[in-house]
Amino acid sequence: EVQLVESGGGLVQPGGSLRLSCAASGFIFSDHYMDWVRQAPGKGLEWVGRIRNKANSYTTEYAASVKGRFTISRDDSKNSLYVQMNSLKTEDTAIYYCARSTSSWSNWFDSWGQGTLVTVSS
Amino acid sequence: DIQMTQSPSAMSASVGDRVTITCRASQGISNNLAWFQQKPGKVPKRLIYAASTLQSGVPSRFSGSGSGTEFTLTISSLQPEDFATYYCLQHNTYPPTFGQGTKVEIK
Repeated sequence: EVQLVESGGGLVQPGGSLRLSCAASGFIFSDHYMDWVRQAPGKGLEWVGRIRNKANSYTTEYAASVKGRFTISRDDSKNSLYVQMNSLKTEDTAIYYCARSTSSWSNWFDSWGQGTLVTVSS
Repeated sequence: DIQMTQSPSAMSASVGDRVTITCRASQGISNNLAWFQQKPGKVPKRLIYAASTLQSGVPSRFSGSGSGTEFTLTISSLQPEDFATYYCLQHNTYPPTFGQGTKVEIK
């Protein structure tokens, strides 16, 4: 069974930093692209960014709203995905989900974690 | 960025009703579209990918159609567990973008 478990959320002041983790199990993590998707309280879904697999050089993509502030990384030896979030703004307050994808262009977000809440407030 | 516009934004329906949700893209996206269901306080769940392919384990009352700029999600006979918010997602070009959501409520 595919499992994705996020951790690391919490309360942080504007301008602060936070690192989220996503622990994966039940599938071959190293084969997959991985994404972060967020959802502000009471709002819709917003894609944050992606990291591809080793075969695709671990390249990354980011939403314009987080580019230059967020960095996505992965450790295939630990079956883990990360996002380092710097210079946080109040508008970054959201539940952050990790989601699994594959290199197939048709296969986006087929499994999701339960999410971790990030609150940016003074 | 490609804008995805869902209609309606909210609707009331009864158990057994046929429900259709539309998603329009601001430019052509071929069939690079997925549909997700999210119940209150729960994680999004993919229902449809490649515009019309049913995700394994999803009931056959759900179906998707369309290509280019107009897509539909149809629930042939609404069940009590289908009351939720539905989102479309285009992944034809970066950044992938979601529609604003359609909330299906009980009439």
